[in-house]
Amino acid sequence: GAGVSQSPSNKVTEKGKDVELRCDPISGHTALYWYRQSLGQGLEFLIYFQGNSAPDKSGLPSDRFSAERTGGSVSTLTIQRTQQEDSAVYLCASSSGAGGELFFGEGSRLTVL
Amino acid sequence: RKEVEQDPGPFNVPEGATVAFNCTYSNSASQSFFWYRQDCRKEPKLLMSVYSSGNEDGRFTAQLNRASQYISLLIRDSKLSDSATYLCVAVSGGYNKLIFGAGTRLAVHP
Repeated sequence: GAGVSQSPSNKVTEKGKDVELRCDPISGHTALYWYRQSLGQGLEFLIYFQGNSAPDKSGLPSDRFSAERTGGSVSTLTIQRTQQEDSAVYLCASSSGAGGELFFGEGSRLTVL
Repeated sequence: RKEVEQDPGPFNVPEGATVAFNCTYSNSASQSFFWYRQDCRKEPKLLMSVYSSGNEDGRFTAQLNRASQYISLLIRDSKLSDSATYLCVAVSGGYNKLIFGAGTRLAVHP
């Protein structure tokens, strides 16, 4: 597809389980971001990948959160031992360069019971 | 204090009204700014960039005041389709990190 693709679109899990969220950026985009958005809130920056540079992980809220980007393309956000406060929409975005227009996926809605 | 702050609204205005939103940012090193629009339960999309000299795109005008560290968005002749949440964005960390405000909700009614 032409846009940013995220999967799953919805995920319901039990507290304490691990989850993986996937993002396929727009082909050729070197920058990839993960944000999360809680109900009625703004976007919270989580992590940023730019080309082969070390990622900016400064927004990850705890060591239960990690992300990787393989081959400069697909990215996976992993949340270990999920907590109820992790419930949110996780948005992935890509851009053709640092600071450029972000193109967002439709998000992965995570619900932790 | 949040790095980017906005009045959450909602702003309820009739069609045809002019409405203005302000946004303040705390990082004086921020170099680039944007307005994004987010429809209910949808992903954000770029509305316009904000330049130091100000810029206009049809009914929309964006302004930047570096001295006071605020950004504004003016919408003239509001349409029903303008109803959405408007997100202010500041770029910091050497163009690496786009920081979003919590958004200002606009509801345009007939």
